[in-house]
Amino acid sequence: KAGVTQTPRYLIKTRGQQVTLSCSPISGHRSVSWYQQTPGQGLQFLFEYFSETQRNKGNFPGRFSGRQFSNSRSEMNVSTLELGDSALYLCASKKELNTEAFFGQGTRLTVV
Amino acid sequence: AQKVTQAQTEISVVEKEDVTLDCVYETRDTTYYLFWYKQPPSGELVFLIRRNSFDEQNEISGRYSWNFQKSTSSFNFTITASQVVDSAVYFCALSVPNDYKLSFGAGTTVTVRA
Repeated sequence: KAGVTQTPRYLIKTRGQQVTLSCSPISGHRSVSWYQQTPGQGLQFLFEYFSETQRNKGNFPGRFSGRQFSNSRSEMNVSTLELGDSALYLCASKKELNTEAFFGQGTRLTVV
Repeated sequence: AQKVTQAQTEISVVEKEDVTLDCVYETRDTTYYLFWYKQPPSGELVFLIRRNSFDEQNEISGRYSWNFQKSTSSFNFTITASQVVDSAVYFCALSVPNDYKLSFGAGTTVTVRA
C-alpha cells in the first residue's frame, strides 16, 4: 500500500513569489492535513480537509491556503513568500477524522 | 487549548540501553487521543502508537512500551534494548474530538551510539 506522497521534495523560491505544494494521501483516506515544521516554532498545524471541505485552520495568515480535490489529493498554496516561510511542510492523511495520521516525507521550502 | 510538554531535549545512550521519553499533556477535554511519532533524518513522521483517554491499559509492542497515567497527565514511552536505528527525534502529540488537529511537543532527540 503506497504511503503519503508529497511533491516536490525540495523547493527554492524568491521572496514575493508564490508556491504550490502537492499531497497524495493513502488510498481510501479522506482526511488530509498540513503542518509546518521550523526549528523555532516546531510542528504547527496549518489546516485540515475532509471530503473536500476545510474542517479546521491553524493560526496562519491568509497567504496560506489549501484545497482538496474529489480524489482526496490536496494542494497547499503560499502567496507572497517571506523568508520566515522557509520550513519543512508535512502532509498527513487519515482514514477518518479520529484515526491516526500518516505523514509524507515533506517538502522542504527555502525562501531566499 | 491543548498543550504537550517534552522536557527532555536530547538523550544519548549506548546501544542496548533502555530509553524512556517523558511526555506531559494538558487538556480540558475528558476524551482525547495521545500519540507518539518518530522522525528520522529523512524527515517523515512515522506513527508509532496511539492511546485513547478512556483506555489506560499499558502495553508492550516489540521493543516499544508506554506508560499512560491520567492521574499525572503523563504518557511516557520506552524503547527497550535500543539500537542505532532508533536514533531520531521523537514527538508526543495530542488531539481532541471536534478538532482532531495534532498538538505536538517540542520533540526529544535520541542518539544511540554503537
